[in-house]
Amino acid sequence: EAQVTQNPRYLITVTGKKLTVTCSQNMNHEYMSWYRQDPGLGLRQIYYSMNVEVTDKGDVPEGYKVSRKEKRNFPLILESPSPNQTSLYFCASSLRVVSYEQYFGPGTRLTVT
Amino acid sequence: GIQVEQSPPDLILQEGANSTLRCNFSDSVNNLQWFHQNPWGQLINLFYIPSGTKQNGRLSATTVATERYSLLYISSSQTTDSGVYFCAVVNNAGNMLTFGGGTRLMVKP
Repeated sequence: EAQVTQNPRYLITVTGKKLTVTCSQNMNHEYMSWYRQDPGLGLRQIYYSMNVEVTDKGDVPEGYKVSRKEKRNFPLILESPSPNQTSLYFCASSLRVVSYEQYFGPGTRLTVT
Repeated sequence: GIQVEQSPPDLILQEGANSTLRCNFSDSVNNLQWFHQNPWGQLINLFYIPSGTKQNGRLSATTVATERYSLLYISSSQTTDSGVYFCAVVNNAGNMLTFGGGTRLMVKP
């Protein structure tokens, strides 16, 4: 089954404790991206990757890191999480960003205390 | 960057009613998609529709790219249609997806 998976789905952590949210797709998609969703602010893009080893900042990259060492995986890293990073996070992928639809993972609900 | 505005922000319908949701965007775009976010938070693809009209059951969508808007039609609404509807566009540089603020729909039985 073609899908985008994220882990964990739910996470409660404390300020400053490094964490990684994994994202994997099995569709051989070139483009992958991360979004956060906050009440009243909608979905905003954090980082995106056009292909392996090619990553770039989205609208709200501060406090996040990403890597794209393999085509299928695009982990989101929070080196020192803070309470303002409490949010619902989505990973997405598409064959290419232009002219192809985006597929979203199920979301990761992160709480930083 | 590109601006995407959706209207109305909130909508309450009685089951069986029809509705039209609108998405306006400020610049020419490469892609446009409509999503439904269900009450569990999952984003579900409805339509990939950079131009033209598509239909899928009770839902249909029309994008008029030259006039920079898209419409999502829901006919004979059901309680399971409740949730938030988002449109999202890819900018002309072809590297980023921007979402509208969403329309929150509640369908009452």
